[in-house]
Amino acid sequence: EVQLVESGGGLVQPGASLKLSCVASGFTFSDYWMSWVRQTPGKTMEWIGDIKYDGSYTNYAPSLKNRFTISRDNAKSTLYLQMSNVRSEDTATYYCITTTEGIGDYWGQGVMVTVSS
Amino acid sequence: DIVMTQSPSSLAVSAGETVTINCKSSQSLFGSVRQKNYLAWYQQKPGQSPKLLIYLASTRESGVPDRFIGSGSGTDFTLTISSVQAEDLANYYCQQYYDTPPLTFGSGTKLEIK
Repeated sequence: EVQLVESGGGLVQPGASLKLSCVASGFTFSDYWMSWVRQTPGKTMEWIGDIKYDGSYTNYAPSLKNRFTISRDNAKSTLYLQMSNVRSEDTATYYCITTTEGIGDYWGQGVMVTVSS
Repeated sequence: DIVMTQSPSSLAVSAGETVTINCKSSQSLFGSVRQKNYLAWYQQKPGQSPKLLIYLASTRESGVPDRFIGSGSGTDFTLTISSVQAEDLANYYCQQYYDTPPLTFGSGTKLEIK
């Protein structure tokens, strides 16, 4: 059974940094492109970016490229999202997903990030 | 970026009725090489993460009931749920993967059961 378990969220102050993790199991992690998608409290879905199966290539939403970094450790079957200089508009539930040709095959349960002072 | 516009934003129906959700893209999602439309539909039940329902506009993911039907081509797409059941209470999202990055999503349709 495919499982994606995100962690690392919580309440964080504006301007701070935060690193989310997503541990994968039930499939060969190193075979898949992986993505991060967030859902705002108003339920809007926003793609953050993705990373190639070997970690050699990443894409980002232009509006987030300068503050967010996606990485992976295939030996640990773990995907990461490093968030820096967070803002109130980064408040959302963050999902890691497997992507096959752009299709979100499997989604984690999500982790909430709240940016507030 | 391709903009995805969904309608309606919400609807309420009685069990057994048929529901139609629309999704319009700002440019064609039809790929001439594979002759396919690069559009997916997701279902998000209350308190859960989204689940893939349909890809390539009309191909149901394994295990998805056949009352969920995806159709359309080019810029106009439809998700039809025939004989709606109480368990279909959810938000539904369309998403294009024709021109990426970025992947882009519709704003969602909230389905309520009367």
